[in-house]
Amino acid sequence: DIQMTQSPSSLSASVGDSITITCRSSQSISTFLNWYQQKPGKAPKLLIFAASSLQSGVPSRFSGSGSGTEFTLTISSLQPEDFATYYCQQNYVTITFGVGTKVEIK
Amino acid sequence: QVQLVQSGAEMKKPGALVKVSCKASGYTFTAHGITWVRQAPGQGFEWMGWSSAYNGNRKYAQKFQDRVTMTTDTPSTTAYMELRSLRFDDTAVYYCAREAEDSSGILDSWGQGTLVTVSS
Repeated sequence: DIQMTQSPSSLSASVGDSITITCRSSQSISTFLNWYQQKPGKAPKLLIFAASSLQSGVPSRFSGSGSGTEFTLTISSLQPEDFATYYCQQNYVTITFGVGTKVEIK
Repeated sequence: QVQLVQSGAEMKKPGALVKVSCKASGYTFTAHGITWVRQAPGQGFEWMGWSSAYNGNRKYAQKFQDRVTMTTDTPSTTAYMELRSLRFDDTAVYYCAREAEDSSGILDSWGQGTLVTVSS
């Protein structure tokens, strides 16, 4: 199985801050990498697919980049509704998820 | 709009089976596969498998190969996931999710989740 490692596991930030979450895969996955947002008690929501494509309806302050084994999710100008847990997921060989990054209010 | 509505919470004893349903609406059911993922309490996500609503093809995670069956029913636009021989560590929230394209692995719409609790 392809292992996905996210860092940091949690971070504290303020409204208006820009943050970056990193996801690394245990082998090259090209750009078969997606990002999801999950709020407590809710289902995940697709934010970014194919490493850098913004899902319809997702604000443009979310962006993704990377290829191969290293990927990033950036949220520019954090909004109150962005405080959540973020997961990366590879779909190169079946599906595996990272363990998540919890973004908390400072 | 696309909507996936799952069946309600279940409490089962070890060794029993559970069948979770996922009613789809707002799109052409046969144009997208359905993936099933679970999330144990306080944990990350675990992929269980996928079934095509177009041709019935399925792919299961090796871990669940001999215990799970995923099906789709086109007339009712409903997908099902049956997990047998339940164990305590099967306690989790089970999600169905629509694949953006059949077997793409991009999960663009999710059900609300079904909590399955395995307890004696």
